[in-house]
Amino acid sequence: DADVTQTPRNRITKTGKRIMLECSQTKGHDRMYWYRQDPGLGLRLIYYSFDVKDINKGEISDGYSVSRQAQAKFSLSLESAIPNQTALYFCATTASGNSYNEQFFGPGTRLTVL
Amino acid sequence: GEDVEQSLFLSVREGDSSVINCTYTDSSSTYLYWYKQEPGAGLQLLTYIFSNMDMKQDQRLTVLLNKKDKHLSLRIADTQTGDSAIYFCAEEEGGYQKVTFGTGTKLQVIP
Repeated sequence: DADVTQTPRNRITKTGKRIMLECSQTKGHDRMYWYRQDPGLGLRLIYYSFDVKDINKGEISDGYSVSRQAQAKFSLSLESAIPNQTALYFCATTASGNSYNEQFFGPGTRLTVL
Repeated sequence: GEDVEQSLFLSVREGDSSVINCTYTDSSSTYLYWYKQEPGAGLQLLTYIFSNMDMKQDQRLTVLLNKKDKHLSLRIADTQTGDSAIYFCAEEEGGYQKVTFGTGTKLQVIP
């Protein structure tokens, strides 16, 4: 079984709809991240959480919100989707206290906003 | 914010060496990373280097770090078709465990 799972894997929606992307991990990590990937722009950080009560904005948080329901679950919401939010979204986790920061990624969610 | 720059595309013949380059801007970076993304998958850590090192070798992979020029490179010896992927370099802000990823380099290996 995968350590970091994302649902759904693919989603097509319309402008203005509310969308939630979910991430679960069985690695026991305290830190979780949401990124989006766009061709030519690499990965950009949307939000990150260092524990259940800690939520921080990344470089491109506008139009997104997150919820850390438990240590193992971190969901990303688009309150009112727009076409330029069409992208590949990745969740990642890491453990605090390590000397270096290896992030473990989920398989991604491909979101298309029409 | 920090910018991590990479060329977008590299094509090499099977058996040749590949060199993927990256420039970063945060001089306080403690660790620098190379991640590999195979088609349809998430990123996986390939290797990393601590900022006080100049070079790190791991089997076919050689990482070179030039802190003065803020330049990082990944050399893959004897490149195989299975090395075809997107390669991301990334830098970590000192003490924050927040990583900034580069734009990614798509490596195409021609048989």
